[in-house]
Amino acid sequence: GAVVSQHPSWVICKSGTSVKIECRSLDFQATTMFWYRQFPKQSLMLMATSNEGSKATYEQGVEKDKFLINHASLTLSTLTVTSAHPEDSSFYICSAEDSFSEQYFGPGTRLTVT
Amino acid sequence: GQQLNQSPQSMFIQEGEDVSMNCTSSSIFNTWLWYKQDPGEGPVLLIALYKAGELTSNGRLTAQFGITRKDSFLNISASIPSDVGIYFCAGPLTGGGSNYKLTFGKGTLLTVNP
Repeated sequence: GAVVSQHPSWVICKSGTSVKIECRSLDFQATTMFWYRQFPKQSLMLMATSNEGSKATYEQGVEKDKFLINHASLTLSTLTVTSAHPEDSSFYICSAEDSFSEQYFGPGTRLTVT
Repeated sequence: GQQLNQSPQSMFIQEGEDVSMNCTSSSIFNTWLWYKQDPGEGPVLLIALYKAGELTSNGRLTAQFGITRKDSFLNISASIPSDVGIYFCAGPLTGGGSNYKLTFGKGTLLTVNP
């Protein structure tokens, strides 16, 4: 089946620094990838849609200048959390959509901001 | 976005028992998806439903797309310890529109006692 990877799997950073998270589709091309955030014991909340070669579209309430998304190739999307603060600590999960419009989720990245 | 109400929030069962959980939406959906998430991992698709009234099985799992298109249920028969995890229902963020942007229910935490 289709595999999506994320790197890193977990990261700890200091408040005020920026963190980049990668999402890769390993065996298929994805023109569309999605970024979700999941707080402890809560559901996944869609943050933004990442489109290859164009600007990402963000859901209401998500700051585009804080969560920078770059989808430079058909197999890679990156999410950069800029000037991270403790309230940004969360589990960030990406998904990639294949040519049949099926979404496959990555294993997630645990971000802790101290 | 569309609201998905998932119940129960948690279940504690004995190995071998059957399990049932359901999801309702405030508006009509054209797709229902059921995912399982293990701790620290991304969700994995279990069953996808695309047609009202559709009943689909995947091994010991059975899911149905409600006739009203506003609900779905997932049944697990003869539960085993590895069924432990959080089960999420999901559907299109915009209700009857694109399949691609997903909204998730709050999840059902399943614990199976050996």
